[in-house]
Amino acid sequence: GEEVAQTPKHLVRGEGQKAKLYCAPIKGHSYVFWYQQVLKNEFKFLISFQNENVFDETGMPKERFSAKCLPNSPCSLEIQATKLEDSAVYFCASSQWGEVGVTEAFFGQGTRLTVV
Amino acid sequence: TQLLEQSPQFLSIQEGENLTVYCNSSSVFSSLQWYRQEPGEGPVLLVTVVTGGEVKKLKRLTFQFGDARKDSSLHITAAQTGDTGLYLCAGINNAGNMLTFGGGTRLMVKP
Repeated sequence: GEEVAQTPKHLVRGEGQKAKLYCAPIKGHSYVFWYQQVLKNEFKFLISFQNENVFDETGMPKERFSAKCLPNSPCSLEIQATKLEDSAVYFCASSQWGEVGVTEAFFGQGTRLTVV
Repeated sequence: TQLLEQSPQFLSIQEGENLTVYCNSSSVFSSLQWYRQEPGEGPVLLVTVVTGGEVKKLKRLTFQFGDARKDSSLHITAAQTGDTGLYLCAGINNAGNMLTFGGGTRLMVKP
């Protein structure tokens, strides 16, 4: 597709429930990034993929968060046993590789996760 | 981890005023990008600066990359209400494969 598609737009989960978010990157983009935006400002890096391979997962709380980007499937971000502090907007972005590195990051519209 | 500090965090000004947003780091970046985010949307790229000392202009917006490629600024001349939004700087590391965002500057331009 020509734009990054994130689903669902909104997700409400009770504390302790599982949440799964999806992201279809732009076709031909080899890099996918997941960010968490809390309090409408700061973008916290979670994980990046180069094609289907995890490239950098230093931002992921690994005990509860996991992510995949499998061929011919949307990328996914899963949170097991959600906590109240996981409430945020989760953005996915995809990018091509240019002459010296990743180029423009194209963002989806985000998934707003509310944990109650 | 490469950190980017943005200042100010919040800025409320009257239409017609000028403003500058700063993005600072102790790390060197291969390039630096500025994004703007509007409510309910993802950030959209405004500009990429690559060369130390580079200045780029986009209508009333002027972007500068520091000589040492550690800092950048965004200057808006004669702000308009349509400039209201969240401005984010993002640094790309020397390997070119990591995009790190600053904390954002939320700008409100009042009529």
